[in-house]
Formats: sequence, C-alpha cells, structure tokens
Amino acid sequence: AQKVTQAQTEISVVEKEDVTLDCVYETRDTTYYLFWYKQPPSGELVFLIRRNSFDEQNEISGRYSWNFQKSTSSFNFTITASQVVDSAVYFCALSEAENNDMRFGAGTRLTVKP
Amino acid sequence: ETGVTQTPRHLVMGMTNKKSLKCEQHLGHNAMYWYKQSAKKPLELMFVYSLEERVENNSVPSRFSPECPNSSHLFLHLHTLQPEDSALYLCASSQDHGNPYEQYFGPGTRLTVT
Repeated sequence: AQKVTQAQTEISVVEKEDVTLDCVYETRDTTYYLFWYKQPPSGELVFLIRRNSFDEQNEISGRYSWNFQKSTSSFNFTITASQVVDSAVYFCALSEAENNDMRFGAGTRLTVKP
Repeated sequence: ETGVTQTPRHLVMGMTNKKSLKCEQHLGHNAMYWYKQSAKKPLELMFVYSLEERVENNSVPSRFSPECPNSSHLFLHLHTLQPEDSALYLCASSQDHGNPYEQYFGPGTRLTVT
C-alpha cells in the first residue's frame, strides 16, 4: 500500500531564511509519481511539481527546488530566501502508475514571519 | 474563468437539511474528484468520476451522493449529515483517470453541520 509521511507538522521561519520540507514515501510499485501542492489560506490546492520514479534529476524553479532520492524514498522541497507569501500548508502526494488515486501526506504548515 | 470553481464557498446546514455542492471545471478534463479535508487529517478521496462514470467510491456514507451530469460538472448532494461531516470539501479534475496527471483543485466549500 502506498503511504506518504510528512513528519514536520509546522515550521516557522523568518523571511529570507531557506527552509526544507521533508517527504518520505512508501510504495511497492516500481513506477510511481510524486507531487507537491501548496494550500494557501484561501483553501485551493495549487499544483507545484510532478516527478516520475524514473527521473531522479533534481529540479529548480525560481526559489523552489526539489530533491528526489529513491535510495531513501524521499522527495524533499526547499524554498530559498523564503517570503511571507510562501506561508501555506504544503502537501506531498504519491500515486502509482495504474491509477490516479493520489495519497496525500498530512501536510506541513509553513509560516514565514517578516 | 478560473480552472475549477466551486459553489457555495461556505455552507451552514442543519442535520435534517438537504443541500448540494457544485463543482465546474473549465479545463476540458475527463476526470473529476471529490475530496474531504478535515482538521488534522490527510485529504480523503471520496469519489472519482471518469468520463461521467463513477469509478470509485471510497466507503463513503450514503448521506453523500455524487452526481456527474457531464464531464464539466460535478455535484455532491448532502442529506441528514452529522456534525463530524463538517469539513472543507474540495473538488478536483485531471486530464484523465488511469494516468497520473496532476490534479487541479477548486477553492473548496467550507461546510459546517450544526
């Protein structure tokens, strides 16, 4: 069965600090997909990234970067030079190749203080 | 027009009421989903529709009744709810079900059952 663990329930940083959100997953499938979503106070989950299990290349998008490590079953998310607007709940999710049922982690609430 | 819209945004209902939540997607997607997000719980997938056919019902009580009249619209009919049904109900869509495309979420309906 698939499972996603986000051990950090809440993180608080001061603006301009770097912050890493951890995500550890479990799956028996060799083909799977990992996702990160952002949920700001407005409630809507915003898609950030999708990564398939065969692509371990790290990705950078502006201040966001993702580190996918199959050896440790982790898909961590780093925000560089955090800003107040980054304050949100961030969800990591996993789906296996055969269906589109995403299993979400419990989320990490990030607060960035000015 | 934003990708996925949901109405109403907030709903307060008594346990004997009947109400409906509406979701509309403007993305030309073939799959639509209902999720429940309760405090301190991971997102729970409730229903999945693919090409207007229900493909999944994750042990959801019968007081929740989904309807998908076409690929752009999804409803969740509510009747005789319980206070523990109070939650944020999120609708999502994806290009297809059966391939792990990313899902796009609406802003949610915040439901309070009194």
